[in-house]
Amino acid sequence: KAGVTQTPRYLIKTRGQQVTLSCSPISGHRSVSWYQQTPGQGLQFLFEYFSETQRNKGNFPGRFSGRQFSNSRSEMNVSTLELGDSALYLCASSLAGQEAGEQYFGPGTRLTVT
Amino acid sequence: GNSVTQMEGPVTLSEEAFLTINCTYTATGYPSLFWYVQYPGEGLQLLLKATKADDKGSNKGFEATYRKETTSFHLEKGSVQVSDSAVYFCALPYSGGGADGLTFGKGTHLIIQP
Repeated sequence: KAGVTQTPRYLIKTRGQQVTLSCSPISGHRSVSWYQQTPGQGLQFLFEYFSETQRNKGNFPGRFSGRQFSNSRSEMNVSTLELGDSALYLCASSLAGQEAGEQYFGPGTRLTVT
Repeated sequence: GNSVTQMEGPVTLSEEAFLTINCTYTATGYPSLFWYVQYPGEGLQLLLKATKADDKGSNKGFEATYRKETTSFHLEKGSVQVSDSAVYFCALPYSGGGADGLTFGKGTHLIIQP
């Protein structure tokens, strides 16, 4: 079974631009979560989607948004990029059940904002 | 929301030494607890989990016991190997209510010397 895939793997953007990252979950997984990983703040939860609905949201500004499609694929968007948005963005998928369970992570998208 | 505190590294040990990485948490109720590992050049993956109080999760010689009295989930291994060198993250659900998404500790970088 194919793992979680993320595209693109690397991205360089300029401050003020916007960016869209894509995530394809493991086949059959209906929940997709997004995380930001930086050396200073570590791994931080952005949001989670299930059946095209945002079920959970972390403490990030409204510049960070996401969506999920009917095939469970997900995208996240960051508008008006800031230098501090440079990070590794990880996507994770799970079967989704009664409570938060095991998540399967993709390799990440390395975003550099200049 | 839920939160987790873990000892930060780097932690440097010799091969065959005993390992303990401390993790304590703050949460509503009794959520599942997780240890994830990030090996060099690889994605984040689940190492072990425990779903209720006094449960012991184990995998690859690592163990962690869910202690609700001390709100702890310390990771232990009796004899570490060079191949255990990685970054270890303690985690629990970001919030309750069945939605996915995890909150992670800052990570402990473990270095095992031959």
